[in-house]
Amino acid sequence: KAGVTQTPRYLIKTRGQQVTLSCSPISGHRSVSWYQQTPGQGLQFLFEYFSETQRNKGNFPGRFSGRQFSNSRSEMNVSTLELGDSALYLCASSLTLDYGYTFGSGTRLTVV
Amino acid sequence: EDQVTQSPEALRLQEGESSSLNCSYTVSGLRGLFWYRQDPGKGPEFLFTLYSAGEEKEKERLKATLTKKESFLHITAPKPEDSATYLCAVSYYGGSQGNLIFGKGTKLSVKP
Repeated sequence: KAGVTQTPRYLIKTRGQQVTLSCSPISGHRSVSWYQQTPGQGLQFLFEYFSETQRNKGNFPGRFSGRQFSNSRSEMNVSTLELGDSALYLCASSLTLDYGYTFGSGTRLTVV
Repeated sequence: EDQVTQSPEALRLQEGESSSLNCSYTVSGLRGLFWYRQDPGKGPEFLFTLYSAGEEKEKERLKATLTKKESFLHITAPKPEDSATYLCAVSYYGGSQGNLIFGKGTKLSVKP
C-alpha cells in the first residue's frame, strides 16, 4: 500500500522567499501532522489537521501556515524564509493511535 | 513543562550484546507513548504504541515496556542492521492526538 508521500524531496531557497511543501497521506487517513526536524532541536510539532480543520498548532511564528484539502492532502507554507528555517520537514498521517503515525520521507529545505 | 528525555544520547554495542534504551516523560495525562526508528535521510518508522503502565510489546529483537514515568526499549542480541536512531514520543490529553512530543533520540551503533 502507498505510504505518506511528500514533495518535493529537496528544495533550496533564498532568504526572504516563500515555499510550499506538499503531503499526501495514506488513503483513508484524515489526521495529518507536520513536524520540523533539526539537529539541535530534534522533531518539533508544527500543526495538525483533521477533516480540513486545524486542531492544534505548535510554537512557531505566523510565517508558518498550513491547510488541508477535502481529499486529506495537506500543504504547509513558510513565508519570508530565514536561514534558521533550514530543516527536514516531515508529514505524518494516522488512522488510529494503535497504528501510530506514519511518516513520509520528508522535504529537506535549505535556505541560503 | 511537558517533556520527553531519552538516554543515552548514543550507544555503541557489539553484535549480540543486549542493552536497553530509556525514555522518561513528564506530561499530564498520557494518551499514548510511541517508539520510532529513524535511518539517516528517512522519516521515522513506527515501531510500537504503549498506553498504560505494565504494558509490553515485542517485535523481533525489540521489546518495549512502560511504567508510570518511563519506557524502556530492550534490544536483545542486536545485529548491525539494528543501527539507527531510536525516537520516543508521547501524545497527551493536554494536546490534540497528533501533537506528539519527541525526545532527542538515542543513536544506536551495532558493530559486527
